[in-house]
Amino acid sequence: GQNIDQPTEMTATEGAIVQINCTYQTSGFNGLFWYQQHAGEAPTFLSYNVLDGLEEKGRFSSFLSRSKGYSYLLLKELQMKDSASYLCAVRDGDYKLSFGAGTTVTVRA
Amino acid sequence: IAGITQAPTSQILAAGRRMTLRCTQDMRHNAMYWYRQDLGLGLRLIHYSNTAGTTGKGEVPDGYSVSRANTDDFPLTLASAVPSQTSVYFCASSDSETSYEQFFGPGTRLTVL
Repeated sequence: GQNIDQPTEMTATEGAIVQINCTYQTSGFNGLFWYQQHAGEAPTFLSYNVLDGLEEKGRFSSFLSRSKGYSYLLLKELQMKDSASYLCAVRDGDYKLSFGAGTTVTVRA
Repeated sequence: IAGITQAPTSQILAAGRRMTLRCTQDMRHNAMYWYRQDLGLGLRLIHYSNTAGTTGKGEVPDGYSVSRANTDDFPLTLASAVPSQTSVYFCASSDSETSYEQFFGPGTRLTVL
C-alpha cells in the first residue's frame, strides 16, 4: 500500500493564499492528483502532476518533487466557495489511486 | 442519464442482510472503481474493473464482490453486511486505467445496524 500524509485542517481568510502539503511513500509512481470535495458531495478532479515542477490552473497550482516524495496545492485569492476538503492521491505502478485522508480548508470572511 | 449515477442514495440495513449498490455510467468509460470513504481514513479502493468482463481487488476487498457484465454497469454486493461496512460508497469511472481523471458518482450512504 501507500503512505500519504496531509494536514487534517487549515483555516484562512478570504482573499488570502493557502498551501496544502502532501508527502507520500509509494511502490511505483504514475502521478499525483489533487481532488476537491465539498461536504456531502463527490470528489472532483483539480490537478495532475507526473513530472517535477509547478502546474498552474487559474487560482490553483500544484507542485511535485518526486525525489522528495512531496507535493503541495496552492490556492490563491481564496473565496468562500473554496471551503472544502482537498484530497491528495498517488497513482502506483499498477495505476491504482491511493488517497490521503484529506485536508479540510475553512475560508473565513 | 448524464455522467455517473448511483443507487440508492442512502440505505439502512440490518446486519446479515445482502445488499447490492448500483452504479451506472453513460460515458462509455472502460475503467470503473468502487471506493469507501470513512472519516479520518480517506477514500479506499474496494474493487476495480479495467474493462468489461474483468475485475480486480483493491485495498479493502473482503466482504464485497463485484461484476462487470457490460461497459455501463458495475454493481457492488455485500453478501452479508456487518456494522464495519457502515460507510459512504463512491463509484468512479475513467476512460482507461491510465487516464488521469476519475469521475465520481454522488455516493451511497450505507448504515449497517
